[in-house]
Amino acid sequence: DTGVSQNPRHKITKRGQNVTFRCDPISEHNRLYWYRQTLGQGPEFLTYFQNEAQLEKSRLLSDRFSAERPKGSFSTLEIQRTEQGDSAMYLCASSKGLAETQYFGPGTRLLVL
Amino acid sequence: RKEVEQDPGPFNVPEGATVAFNCTYSNSASQSFFWYRQDCRKEPKLLMSVYSSGNEDGRFTAQLNRASQYISLLIRDSKLSDSATYLCVVIRPSGTYKYIFGTGTRLKVLA
Repeated sequence: DTGVSQNPRHKITKRGQNVTFRCDPISEHNRLYWYRQTLGQGPEFLTYFQNEAQLEKSRLLSDRFSAERPKGSFSTLEIQRTEQGDSAMYLCASSKGLAETQYFGPGTRLLVL
Repeated sequence: RKEVEQDPGPFNVPEGATVAFNCTYSNSASQSFFWYRQDCRKEPKLLMSVYSSGNEDGRFTAQLNRASQYISLLIRDSKLSDSATYLCVVIRPSGTYKYIFGTGTRLKVLA
């Protein structure tokens, strides 16, 4: 399977715990994106990488959120001291070029109790 | 005003009906547009790009109206399997991050 993969698919955690999600993009794609989606809303942009460089971060990304793409391949998104408001679907997407089609992974569904 | 706006619906239509959704955008310099489909609790998947001259893919037709700054998606002969949320994406003409998603329009095709 050469699509975008994400792990874990589901995560339940208690408020205050840290969580980390992983995204493996399509291999020839050098651009990688993280989004958050809540019920009834479209995907909200969180951050974007070109290779290993993090080029843009949304204002939605508070200090508790950090993302990395150390070797320009897979990426991780960490949320520290989770809050109930962080409960959402976290989607990763990749693309070849800046304005080209994005391909999404299946998402990680986070529930913070 | 939001950069991209969609009627959230739901649009409830009988099988076989024709249904159309619009998506308005605020930046007149936007150049590229897409429609994505998202099934419940699944990831968005590209349905079709929107070309200036309009384009068709089977039962689906996408059109761009630059003067009024909207794109449209027309679905003919609706099937039960077309039930989903349809997201429009507008590409900003500048900036490092360019993709702006609408909130989606929910379609329910009824038997």
